[in-house]
Amino acid sequence: KNEVEQSPQNLTAQEGEFITINCSYSVGISALHWLQQHPGGGIVSLFMLSSGKKKHGRLIATINIQEKHSSLHITASHPRDSAVYICAAPQEADKLIFGTGTRLQVFP
Amino acid sequence: DVKVTQSSRYLVKRTGEKVFLECVQDMDHENMFWYRQDPGLGLRLIYFSYDVKMKEKGDIPEGYSVSREKKERFSLILESASTNQTSMYLCASTLFDPFSYSPLHFGNGTRLTVT
Repeated sequence: KNEVEQSPQNLTAQEGEFITINCSYSVGISALHWLQQHPGGGIVSLFMLSSGKKKHGRLIATINIQEKHSSLHITASHPRDSAVYICAAPQEADKLIFGTGTRLQVFP
Repeated sequence: DVKVTQSSRYLVKRTGEKVFLECVQDMDHENMFWYRQDPGLGLRLIYFSYDVKMKEKGDIPEGYSVSREKKERFSLILESASTNQTSMYLCASTLFDPFSYSPLHFGNGTRLTVT
Protein backbone atom coordinates (compact mmCIF):
# COMPACT_ATOMS: atom_id res chain seq x y z
CA LYS A 1 0.00 0.00 0.00
CA ASN A 2 1.41 3.32 -1.06
CA GLU A 3 1.84 5.63 1.91
CA VAL A 4 0.82 8.59 -0.22
CA GLU A 5 -2.48 8.19 -2.02
CA GLN A 6 -3.94 10.59 -4.55
CA SER A 7 -7.43 10.89 -5.94
CA PRO A 8 -8.73 10.94 -8.51
CA GLN A 9 -6.24 9.21 -10.79
CA ASN A 10 -7.70 10.93 -13.85
CA LEU A 11 -9.72 14.10 -14.09
CA THR A 12 -11.27 15.89 -17.03
CA ALA A 13 -12.76 19.35 -16.84
CA GLN A 14 -14.14 22.11 -18.99
CA GLU A 15 -12.28 25.37 -19.12
CA GLY A 16 -13.30 27.58 -16.22
CA GLU A 17 -14.22 24.81 -13.82
CA PHE A 18 -12.96 24.65 -10.24
CA ILE A 19 -10.75 21.62 -9.73
CA THR A 20 -9.77 19.73 -6.59
CA ILE A 21 -7.10 17.05 -6.31
CA ASN A 22 -6.70 15.19 -3.05
CA CYS A 23 -3.71 13.67 -1.29
CA SER A 24 -3.79 11.46 1.79
CA TYR A 25 -0.65 10.32 3.54
CA SER A 26 0.15 7.95 6.36
CA VAL A 27 3.69 9.09 7.13
CA GLY A 28 4.65 11.85 9.51
CA ILE A 29 5.68 14.92 7.61
CA SER A 30 7.51 18.18 7.99
CA ALA A 31 6.49 19.56 4.62
CA LEU A 32 4.24 18.12 1.93
CA HIS A 33 5.16 18.87 -1.68
CA TRP A 34 2.89 19.44 -4.66
CA LEU A 35 4.51 19.03 -8.07
CA GLN A 36 3.35 19.53 -11.65
CA GLN A 37 4.53 17.42 -14.58
CA HIS A 38 3.73 18.56 -18.10
CA PRO A 39 3.68 16.28 -21.13
CA GLY A 40 7.28 15.72 -22.11
CA GLY A 41 8.35 14.98 -18.57
CA GLY A 42 9.73 18.04 -16.78
CA ILE A 43 8.54 18.43 -13.17
CA VAL A 44 8.04 21.76 -11.43
CA SER A 45 7.66 22.28 -7.70
CA LEU A 46 4.38 24.11 -7.00
CA PHE A 47 4.11 24.21 -3.23
CA MET A 48 5.64 23.01 -0.01
CA LEU A 49 3.43 23.34 3.04
CA SER A 50 3.25 21.99 6.55
CA SER A 51 0.17 23.85 7.77
CA GLY A 52 -2.75 25.95 6.63
CA LYS A 53 -2.99 27.20 3.09
CA LYS A 54 -0.79 28.59 0.36
CA LYS A 55 -1.86 30.42 -2.80
CA HIS A 56 -0.02 31.12 -6.02
CA GLY A 57 -2.06 32.65 -8.79
CA ARG A 58 -5.00 30.34 -9.50
CA LEU A 59 -3.52 27.50 -7.48
CA ILE A 60 -4.32 26.95 -3.82
CA ALA A 61 -2.93 24.21 -1.60
CA THR A 62 -4.35 23.32 1.80
CA ILE A 63 -3.28 20.82 4.39
CA ASN A 64 -4.94 19.32 7.47
CA ILE A 65 -2.22 17.80 9.63
CA GLN A 66 -4.63 16.05 12.01
CA GLU A 67 -6.45 14.32 9.16
CA LYS A 68 -3.22 13.76 7.16
CA HIS A 69 -4.84 15.20 4.08
CA SER A 70 -3.94 17.86 1.57
CA SER A 71 -5.80 19.31 -1.39
CA LEU A 72 -4.71 21.19 -4.47
CA HIS A 73 -7.32 23.48 -5.97
CA ILE A 74 -7.26 25.18 -9.35
CA THR A 75 -9.66 28.04 -9.87
CA ALA A 76 -10.87 29.06 -13.33
CA SER A 77 -9.08 26.13 -14.95
CA HIS A 78 -7.46 26.55 -18.35
CA PRO A 79 -6.23 24.06 -20.96
CA ARG A 80 -2.64 24.99 -20.08
CA ASP A 81 -3.28 23.53 -16.60
CA SER A 82 -3.43 20.09 -18.23
CA ALA A 83 -0.68 18.10 -16.58
CA VAL A 84 -0.01 15.40 -14.01
CA TYR A 85 -0.12 16.68 -10.44
CA ILE A 86 1.91 14.78 -7.87
CA CYS A 87 2.05 15.06 -4.10
CA ALA A 88 5.02 13.86 -2.07
CA ALA A 89 5.66 13.46 1.65
CA PRO A 90 8.86 12.70 3.57
CA GLN A 91 8.99 9.25 5.10
CA GLU A 92 12.39 9.18 6.73
CA ALA A 93 15.38 11.46 6.94
CA ASP A 94 16.39 10.65 3.40
CA LYS A 95 13.23 9.77 1.54
CA LEU A 96 10.34 11.44 -0.18
CA ILE A 97 7.38 9.19 -0.94
CA PHE A 98 5.54 10.19 -4.10
CA GLY A 99 1.93 9.65 -5.01
CA THR A 100 1.23 8.11 -8.40
CA GLY A 101 -0.18 11.37 -9.70
CA THR A 102 -3.46 12.78 -10.93
CA ARG A 103 -3.73 13.30 -14.67
CA LEU A 104 -5.75 16.44 -15.39
CA GLN A 105 -7.10 17.36 -18.80
CA VAL A 106 -8.86 20.68 -19.24
CA PHE A 107 -10.82 21.10 -22.47
CA PRO A 108 -11.67 24.43 -24.08
CA ASP B 1 16.19 30.32 -11.49
CA VAL B 2 17.76 26.98 -10.80
CA LYS B 3 18.48 24.99 -13.88
CA VAL B 4 18.86 21.24 -13.82
CA THR B 5 19.99 19.90 -17.16
CA GLN B 6 19.87 16.29 -18.25
CA SER B 7 22.08 15.50 -21.19
CA SER B 8 19.55 13.59 -23.30
CA ARG B 9 15.78 13.68 -23.67
CA TYR B 10 15.57 10.35 -25.47
CA LEU B 11 17.98 7.43 -25.57
CA VAL B 12 17.75 4.04 -27.22
CA LYS B 13 20.29 1.44 -26.13
CA ARG B 14 20.80 -2.26 -26.62
CA THR B 15 20.69 -4.89 -23.90
CA GLY B 16 24.08 -5.24 -22.24
CA GLU B 17 25.35 -1.78 -23.13
CA LYS B 18 26.82 0.49 -20.50
CA VAL B 19 24.69 3.63 -20.30
CA PHE B 20 25.58 7.00 -18.81
CA LEU B 21 22.92 9.54 -17.87
CA GLU B 22 24.31 12.94 -16.98
CA CYS B 23 22.78 15.64 -14.81
CA VAL B 24 24.15 19.11 -14.14
CA GLN B 25 22.74 21.80 -11.84
CA ASP B 26 23.86 25.40 -11.79
CA MET B 27 22.90 26.59 -8.27
CA ASP B 28 25.54 25.03 -6.06
CA HIS B 29 23.04 22.63 -4.53
CA GLU B 30 24.35 20.10 -2.06
CA ASN B 31 21.78 17.40 -2.69
CA MET B 32 21.16 15.58 -5.93
CA PHE B 33 18.84 12.67 -6.70
CA TRP B 34 18.12 10.18 -9.43
CA TYR B 35 14.57 8.85 -9.79
CA ARG B 36 12.87 6.59 -12.26
CA GLN B 37 9.23 7.00 -13.14
CA ASP B 38 7.04 4.18 -14.36
CA PRO B 39 3.29 4.18 -15.01
CA GLY B 40 1.29 3.41 -11.88
CA LEU B 41 4.35 3.40 -9.63
CA GLY B 42 5.19 7.04 -9.14
CA LEU B 43 8.74 8.27 -8.76
CA ARG B 44 11.13 5.88 -7.10
CA LEU B 45 14.50 6.87 -5.73
CA ILE B 46 17.50 5.10 -7.24
CA TYR B 47 20.44 6.92 -5.63
CA PHE B 48 21.11 10.23 -4.00
CA SER B 49 24.11 12.28 -2.98
CA TYR B 50 24.56 14.90 -0.28
CA ASP B 51 28.07 15.92 -1.20
CA VAL B 52 30.86 15.40 -3.67
CA LYS B 53 32.04 11.79 -3.79
CA MET B 54 29.23 10.82 -1.45
CA LYS B 55 26.41 8.49 -2.53
CA GLU B 56 23.60 6.66 -0.85
CA LYS B 57 21.35 3.93 -2.15
CA GLY B 58 17.71 4.69 -2.60
CA ASP B 59 14.86 2.23 -2.90
CA ILE B 60 15.86 0.55 -6.16
CA PRO B 61 19.65 0.73 -6.64
CA GLU B 62 20.11 -2.71 -8.18
CA GLY B 63 21.64 -2.53 -11.64
CA TYR B 64 22.67 1.10 -11.22
CA SER B 65 25.65 3.02 -9.94
CA VAL B 66 26.36 6.74 -9.62
CA SER B 67 29.23 9.15 -9.68
CA ARG B 68 29.59 12.60 -8.17
CA GLU B 69 33.07 13.89 -8.81
CA LYS B 70 32.01 17.54 -8.90
CA LYS B 71 29.30 19.28 -6.92
CA GLU B 72 27.32 20.31 -9.96
CA ARG B 73 27.31 16.95 -11.75
CA PHE B 74 25.62 13.70 -10.78
CA SER B 75 25.83 10.78 -13.19
CA LEU B 76 23.72 7.65 -13.27
CA ILE B 77 25.32 4.56 -14.78
CA LEU B 78 23.58 1.46 -16.00
CA GLU B 79 26.40 -1.08 -15.92
CA SER B 80 24.70 -3.51 -18.27
CA ALA B 81 21.39 -2.24 -19.56
CA SER B 82 18.40 -4.55 -19.44
CA THR B 83 14.93 -4.23 -20.90
CA ASN B 84 13.40 -3.77 -17.42
CA GLN B 85 15.39 -0.55 -17.13
CA THR B 86 13.33 1.01 -19.90
CA SER B 87 11.84 4.00 -18.10
CA MET B 88 11.77 7.76 -17.62
CA TYR B 89 14.75 8.90 -15.55
CA LEU B 90 14.56 12.17 -13.66
CA CYS B 91 17.34 14.01 -11.92
CA ALA B 92 16.61 16.49 -9.12
CA SER B 93 18.52 18.79 -6.83
CA THR B 94 17.73 20.70 -3.69
CA LEU B 95 19.65 23.15 -1.55
CA PHE B 96 18.66 21.52 1.73
CA ASP B 97 17.16 18.12 2.42
CA PRO B 98 13.57 17.58 1.29
CA PHE B 99 12.14 18.01 4.78
CA SER B 100 12.94 21.65 5.19
CA TYR B 101 11.56 24.46 3.07
CA SER B 102 13.71 23.68 0.10
CA PRO B 103 11.94 22.82 -3.13
CA LEU B 104 13.06 20.07 -5.44
CA HIS B 105 14.26 21.19 -8.85
CA PHE B 106 13.90 18.60 -11.57
CA GLY B 107 15.47 18.16 -14.96
CA ASN B 108 13.31 17.50 -18.01
CA GLY B 109 13.86 13.78 -17.83
CA THR B 110 15.50 11.19 -20.05
CA ARG B 111 13.27 8.60 -21.64
CA LEU B 112 15.44 5.51 -22.00
CA THR B 113 14.45 2.55 -24.12
CA VAL B 114 16.48 -0.63 -23.89
CA THR B 115 15.93 -3.06 -26.75
